[in-house]
Amino acid sequence: SQTIHQWPATLVQPVGSPLSLECTVEGTSNPNLYWYRQAAGRGLQLLFYSVGIGQISSEVPQNLSASRPQDRQFILSSKKLLLSDSGFYLCAWRAGGSTLETRQNTIYFGEGSWLTVV
Amino acid sequence: AQKITQTQPGMFVQEKEAVTLDCTYDTSDPSYGLFWYKQPSSGEMIFLIYQGSYDQQNATEGRYSLNFQKARKSANLVISASQLGDSAMYFCAMREMNTNAGKSTFGDGTTLTVKP
Repeated sequence: SQTIHQWPATLVQPVGSPLSLECTVEGTSNPNLYWYRQAAGRGLQLLFYSVGIGQISSEVPQNLSASRPQDRQFILSSKKLLLSDSGFYLCAWRAGGSTLETRQNTIYFGEGSWLTVV
Repeated sequence: AQKITQTQPGMFVQEKEAVTLDCTYDTSDPSYGLFWYKQPSSGEMIFLIYQGSYDQQNATEGRYSLNFQKARKSANLVISASQLGDSAMYFCAMREMNTNAGKSTFGDGTTLTVKP
């Protein structure tokens, strides 16, 4: 079975400090990987997605970046955090390909990481 | 334009009653999938149910069913026999197969509170 794990679960960082959130997926190969951010009580905003190693697409301009050094590893980073970066970050994966089959289309989420920038 | 609209920021339902959470979507892609997720206070996103645009029958998963009305572009979630543990935020999402690079778009969510 497939699993997804992200860490750390909670993080309190000062403004201007760096950030690194990691996400790994097990039990599947060549997944599509995603980073979402969720402000308190709001919906999900797609930040980055990746269809393969080294292939990153950015959805919104920001001071965050993402990398995919290995097939099942996705990293969200920042060199200097802003107060507005606070939020709940979710890593997610989906099987690659484009079909309407349920299993291949469902996005599965990690446990989430609560980031507070102070 | 908003691709996924959830018009109910908050809903209340009595325990053991049924509740419908609304979701409308906007797409010109003939191939798409619709999803519902549950997010309890712990923050995890739990997949509930999926409907493909070509599916002839409404999807059902236990107490969850998706009322898919393609012409009206609506995909409402029906929860039967509500339980206290159903209290959570619920998100509707859509994935377009041929446009938007196949990415998934989420609505702003509906907070459901089940009363004892």
